[in-house]
Amino acid sequence: KNEVEQSPQNLTAQEGEFITINCSYSVGISALHWLQQHPGGGIVSLFMLSSGKKKHGRLIATINIQEKHSSLHITASHPRDSAVYICAVRGGATNKLIFGTGTLLAVQP
Amino acid sequence: DTAVSQTPKYLVTQMGNDKSIKCEQNLGHDTMYWYKQDSKKFLKIMFSYNNKELIINETVPNRFSPKSPDKAHLNLHINSLELGDSAVYFCASSLGTANQPQHFGDGTRLSIL
Repeated sequence: KNEVEQSPQNLTAQEGEFITINCSYSVGISALHWLQQHPGGGIVSLFMLSSGKKKHGRLIATINIQEKHSSLHITASHPRDSAVYICAVRGGATNKLIFGTGTLLAVQP
Repeated sequence: DTAVSQTPKYLVTQMGNDKSIKCEQNLGHDTMYWYKQDSKKFLKIMFSYNNKELIINETVPNRFSPKSPDKAHLNLHINSLELGDSAVYFCASSLGTANQPQHFGDGTRLSIL
């Protein structure tokens, strides 16, 4: 079992829908990252958080340290949001980044 | 003015060959990383350097040897390439080893024939 689990693995949504991607982890962490990987392959860091909530445009990330859970929300989704969203935690024995398996999001017009 | 640049973008080579992937960052960051993304899109840390010093060395075959001539560069040399080395390799950098966002290169897709 991975130390970082994401759900769902695949998600198809209609343009305009509110989207939630979940991440659960089993190790002690110092921070959690949300990354976006577009079909072209490049990876972009969306958020890094260790508590509470962060918002950037239509994206919102929350984390509950006690429950070892984070969510990434996308409001008013758009086809350009189609990408793989990856949760990663900094933690474990070596304090390295440990990645989830990603959530493939497809937003249809 | 690319922040983290990797070369080459694509690398196709025969089994048994030796190849290098170069990475440079112009962000003034102290820490650089190499990640491997397998065919299932799963990312895993390989190495991390801070100010030219190795700080993370995951269970990676000795055929993989990172080299950091200065803190702006972290190159990856791979000897005796095997079929299982086929993957996308990502370089990244961050300001330091503490909790900082990481900036990723565009990746190098390595295909072993």
